[in-house]
Amino acid sequence: QSALTQPRSVSGSPGQSVTISCTGTSSDVGGYNYVSWYQQHPGKAPKVIIYDVTKRPSGVPDRFSGSKSGNTASLTISGLQAEDEGDYYCCSYAGSYTVFGGGTKLTVL
Amino acid sequence: EVQLVESGGGLVKTGGSLRLSCAASGFTFSDYNMNWVRQGPGKGLEWVSSISSYSDYIYYADSVKGRFTISRDNAKNSLYLQMNSLRTDDTAVYYCARDGSALPYYWGQGTLVTVSS
Repeated sequence: QSALTQPRSVSGSPGQSVTISCTGTSSDVGGYNYVSWYQQHPGKAPKVIIYDVTKRPSGVPDRFSGSKSGNTASLTISGLQAEDEGDYYCCSYAGSYTVFGGGTKLTVL
Repeated sequence: EVQLVESGGGLVKTGGSLRLSCAASGFTFSDYNMNWVRQGPGKGLEWVSSISSYSDYIYYADSVKGRFTISRDNAKNSLYLQMNSLRTDDTAVYYCARDGSALPYYWGQGTLVTVSS
């Protein structure tokens, strides 16, 4: 049950694009098409922004997109906006358990 | 509208017990798997436990196995987490979360558990 690996921080200027990676193993990310991404602002509960690797819940802007290649999933945020600043977590199904990444702090410069 | 409201958090001494509850509304509770996820102070999210819609599948993180017990009452639209032998590293905000397809989708606002020596 080892945590998925995410970069601790990323940054970008408004209007730019950033990509956050999430690396696991063939037992989790690589083995299932069940990867979710969550956005969390300070003091708030996490909010799902991507599920099933690539799907966006209604209400989530299409600036957010997800993908997966092998054991690595990625979240891309295009056209960065100030309100995108926060913490982002990936999460993968792994059969008998669920595993989160360590989280990535996104700073909008 | 899906609503998940946790309760039961508080301050407890090491070795003590606490029972968390999560009241669900806005969806057919018995149709969905449910989860507990926690977040220690200044730390990331950690999956704690999951339970299938009719309690036939139950899973735990290694860090809580043998100490925590997840359960649900579909008649009361409620999810529970019985926490025994609490340790200081169990201090966290505990979130109740409903599955979407296979992972947490809707989250409650969380309840704070503080374990002190």
